[in-house]
Amino acid sequence: DADVTQTPRNRITKTGKRIMLECSQTKGHDRMYWYRQDPGLGLRLIYYSFDVKDINKGEISDGYSVSRQAQAKFSLSLESAIPNQTALYFCATSDRTPPDTQYFGPGTRLTVL
Amino acid sequence: AQTVTQSQPEMSVQEAETVTLSCTYDTSESDYYLFWYKQPPSRQMILVIRQEAYKQQNATENRFSVNFQKAAKSFSLKISDSQLGDAAMYFCAYRRVNAGNMLTFGGGTRLMVKP
Repeated sequence: DADVTQTPRNRITKTGKRIMLECSQTKGHDRMYWYRQDPGLGLRLIYYSFDVKDINKGEISDGYSVSRQAQAKFSLSLESAIPNQTALYFCATSDRTPPDTQYFGPGTRLTVL
Repeated sequence: AQTVTQSQPEMSVQEAETVTLSCTYDTSESDYYLFWYKQPPSRQMILVIRQEAYKQQNATENRFSVNFQKAAKSFSLKISDSQLGDAAMYFCAYRRVNAGNMLTFGGGTRLMVKP
């Protein structure tokens, strides 16, 4: 079984709809992250959480919110989706031990029409 | 702000041969980590290799090795005995120590392997 899972794997939605992307992990890591990937830009950090009570904005948090429901679960919400949020979204996890390498989920492809 | 640059949008290599992917980064920090991730068509991001800046010895993982030149801020990935399964996007990434754990990624290099 995969250590980091994301649901859904693919989603098509319309402008203005609320969307939630979910991430679960069985690695026992404290730290979780949400990234966005656009063609030619690599990945950019949206939000990160070092534990259930610690949530921080990343490089591109506008238009997004997150919830850390438990150590193993970290969800990303788009309150009112817009077309330029069409992208590939990745969840990642890491432990606290340096270099606390991040391990990624399989990604969610989101299309906003 | 840190930046990571991969100057080769695409590279190709013949099966069984060696290829080197380039990465440069800009930072004023002395302590940091560098990573190479592979993204095959399945789109999963897979860690290939990592390097701690304080280590002078270049990291090696089987057929994958790096050439880390700290003064030049260069971190290239060498793939030896290339295999068809090596075909993928490769991303170089940088992370400061004790700085929110944010990875800064380059734009990626698409590697094609010819049989």
